[in-house]
Amino acid sequence: GENVEQHPSTLSVQEGDSAVIKCTYSDSASNYFPWYKQELGKGPQLIIDIRSNVGEKKDQRIAVTLNKTAKHFSLHITETQPEDSAVYFCAATVTGNQFYFGTGTSLTVIP
Amino acid sequence: NAGVTQTPKFRILKIGQSMTLQCTQDMNHNYMYWYRQDPGMGLKLIYYSVGAGITDKGEVPNGYNVSRSTTEDFPLRLELAAPSQTSVYFCASRKTLTGIHEQYFGPGTRLTVT
Repeated sequence: GENVEQHPSTLSVQEGDSAVIKCTYSDSASNYFPWYKQELGKGPQLIIDIRSNVGEKKDQRIAVTLNKTAKHFSLHITETQPEDSAVYFCAATVTGNQFYFGTGTSLTVIP
Repeated sequence: NAGVTQTPKFRILKIGQSMTLQCTQDMNHNYMYWYRQDPGMGLKLIYYSVGAGITDKGEVPNGYNVSRSTTEDFPLRLELAAPSQTSVYFCASRKTLTGIHEQYFGPGTRLTVT
């Protein structure tokens, strides 16, 4: 099956700086790549996603890039704010039946 | 809409006991999923369902069973609880349209087996 690796496992940034989280995947057939934010004690919530026919997608301060050749995709958060502090997960799927998640990145934004 | 609801929020089981984790969604989603989340790890898929009456195994199905008799409900059954099943369990659902769309997650059930 698919194997998704995520780095770094922890990330601390100063408020206002940018944060980048990277994921690699193994199955070249994967075609949908969502990013989830999980706050303490809650379930994951989708923040942005990208499909394999697109190289980049932006939503305000959040962007995701996809490099199909290298099989990696990244989450970029600009102008970070304390409320961005959470655990972020990447995932990949081929059919939408089975999603494979990375191990998560704990982001801390220091005021 | 309440979205995806899970009960109970917390549970402590003794080794060998059985229990059912409940999951209900009110969004008329065809797809439903059960994941477990262990500390420092991502979510691992236990079982999923593409519609009422249809279920299939995910990455880590051993020790669990599911059923899907209605669109709304997708209970997860632990028959003989083991310490290795101590985890946080999340249920999720998603709609079926052309292409793949986001999963909506419930708040989770924290299970401890001692």
